Amino acid sequence: AQTVTQSQPEMSVQEAETVTLSCTYDTSENNYYLFWYKQPPSRQMILVIRQEAYKQQNATENRFSVNFQKAAKSFSLKISDSQLGDTAMYFCAFKAGAQKLVFGQGTRLTINP
Amino acid sequence: GAVVSQHPSWVICKSGTSVKIECRSLDFQATTMFWYRQFPKQSLMLMATSNEGSKATYEQGVEKDKFLINHASLTLSTLTVTSAHPEDSSFYICSASDLTGLEKLFFGSGTQLSVL
Repeated sequence: AQTVTQSQPEMSVQEAETVTLSCTYDTSENNYYLFWYKQPPSRQMILVIRQEAYKQQNATENRFSVNFQKAAKSFSLKISDSQLGDTAMYFCAFKAGAQKLVFGQGTRLTINP
Repeated sequence: GAVVSQHPSWVICKSGTSVKIECRSLDFQATTMFWYRQFPKQSLMLMATSNEGSKATYEQGVEKDKFLINHASLTLSTLTVTSAHPEDSSFYICSASDLTGLEKLFFGSGTQLSVL
């Protein structure tokens, strides 16, 4: 069974700083997708970024980028120039084919003014 | 992007009553919908997977007679919490995937259920 581990329950940084959230996963699959979801206080789940395992290039979306290390089964999220609106719970997630989406435990990120 | 509408946003009910939560895909056909439960400060826990026109597949430990799921059309899935009790109080979230691929999931805004 696939597992996703986020080892940082909480993180806090100052506005405009860069922050990296860690995520590791365990799987025997070769083709899969990795995601970072943001859940702000509204509790709406928002897709931040998606990585396809067969692509070596790290995905980027504006201020958000990932460091995907397939051999190490690591998938960290970097937020550059952090903003107050980035304050949220962040969930790393894994999906292989038609299997269910597996979430990590989440990291509560607070951006301080 | 695709929109998933979930209603109601919050509901308060008396113990012993049943509550129905709707999840609609507004601009795409959802062959598969998922229902999650989330406790405060915790991650999402998958309860069941529903496919249009067939019975839902429940995760281990989820009572299918307690949480009734119906996916009668390609745009609507419902979760009914039957004979609700205070321990059923939680945040329930649905998500849906479209016909293009199961790697794309779109989430509803969630329903906060409080059972008195």
